[in-house]
Amino acid sequence: GESVGLHLPTLSVQEGDNSIINCAYSNSASDYFIWYKQESGKGPQFIIDIRSNMDKRQGQRVTVLLNKTVKHLSLQIAATQPGDSAVYFCAVVVTDSWGKFQFGAGTQVVVTP
Amino acid sequence: DGGITQSPKYLFRKEGQNVTLSCEQNLNHDAMYWYRQDPGQGLRLIYYSQIVNDFQKGDIAEGYSVSREKKESFPLTVTSAQKNPTAFYLCASSISGTFASGYTFGSGTRLTVV
Repeated sequence: GESVGLHLPTLSVQEGDNSIINCAYSNSASDYFIWYKQESGKGPQFIIDIRSNMDKRQGQRVTVLLNKTVKHLSLQIAATQPGDSAVYFCAVVVTDSWGKFQFGAGTQVVVTP
Repeated sequence: DGGITQSPKYLFRKEGQNVTLSCEQNLNHDAMYWYRQDPGQGLRLIYYSQIVNDFQKGDIAEGYSVSREKKESFPLTVTSAQKNPTAFYLCASSISGTFASGYTFGSGTRLTVV
């Protein structure tokens, strides 16, 4: 089955610094990748996505990088703010799984003043 | 506003009881899903439904049941056969056949066995 992992369970970052959250996957057939943010006691919220025909995609203060060679993707948050404190998941879609996503366990981002 | 509504937010279950978690969406999405979330683990798929009156088991369906009698509704029953039901349950929906922007998630139900 698909293996999706995050490298660090907790990331502590100082307010104003950049955050980098990593995710590895195992299935080379994966073709769509999504990052979610989940605040305590709430459902995950979509942040940004990227398809396998791209290496990089930028949003507002966030950038997702995809390295298909080593099956790795990362989420970069620029100028991290207290409101960015949350758990961040990567989700990986395999084409023939019809909309079923594999989720990583999540990284807890803690923003310190 | 369109979205997914899960209720209740908190639910307490006694040993041997069945409980039903509600999930309603007004997004006109064909597909709906139930996930279980435990600390330190990724979301695990319980059941999913691609269309009304049809649903499929996910990775951890044992001890759970669902129905899909209406497009808008996908209730999950946690039966007494589920030996460790304490968890955070998330319902999601998506436009059938596309992955655009992934899922829309509900706000979750926290189930605790007392």
